[in-house]
Amino acid sequence: DAGVIQSPRHEVTEMGQEVTLRCKPISGHNSLFWYRQTMMRGLELLIYFNNNVPIDDSGMPEDRFSAKMPNASFSTLKIQPSEPRDSAVYFCASSILFGQTNTEAFFGQGTRLTVV
Amino acid sequence: SQKIEQNSEALNIQEGKTATLTCNYTNYSPAYLQWYRQDPGRGPVFLLLIRENEKEKRKERLKVTFDTTLKQSLFHITASQPADSATYLCALLRYNFNKFYFGSGTKLNVKP
Repeated sequence: DAGVIQSPRHEVTEMGQEVTLRCKPISGHNSLFWYRQTMMRGLELLIYFNNNVPIDDSGMPEDRFSAKMPNASFSTLKIQPSEPRDSAVYFCASSILFGQTNTEAFFGQGTRLTVV
Repeated sequence: SQKIEQNSEALNIQEGKTATLTCNYTNYSPAYLQWYRQDPGRGPVFLLLIRENEKEKRKERLKVTFDTTLKQSLFHITASQPADSATYLCALLRYNFNKFYFGSGTKLNVKP
């Protein structure tokens, strides 16, 4: 398996534009997480899906952020409109839910977003 | 809410020595505590997991301890090598709550 695949690796966009980040989780994994990493705040959990259903989106900072998981092999994180303070590295991670608890998380390479 | 603290200052040690990193948490006791390694420009990679009923776990040169009374985990790398230089993150997971809460990480520099 190629692991968790994210695209694009780098994205530079102008303030106000829509940005879409993509993620392909590891085949067979039933949990998916979107994280944002900055120097100031570290690794923040934005949203968690289980079996394609959003379970917890309490970490999504604002209504400008939305995430979807239309099927088990694809998820998107959209920011509309983007702002300079959204600049960060966005990670997607997947995991297997055994019983009531996930085991380890497998991370993608991340998307470095710069909003100018 | 859960708060996880790791030393934000970099840890600089000499090759061959043992590196010890600390993870402290508040509030809820986690079901699992995990340690990840992150290299620049890459996503975190899982290293070790320790359950709340385990005191210690080892994997090759790595050792993790878990003290639920102190609410602390220690991560040791013995016989450290320059290739061990990276940022190390701890993460907590609670029973029936399937979110991984991460600390901000500690950067380890192993000098030859």
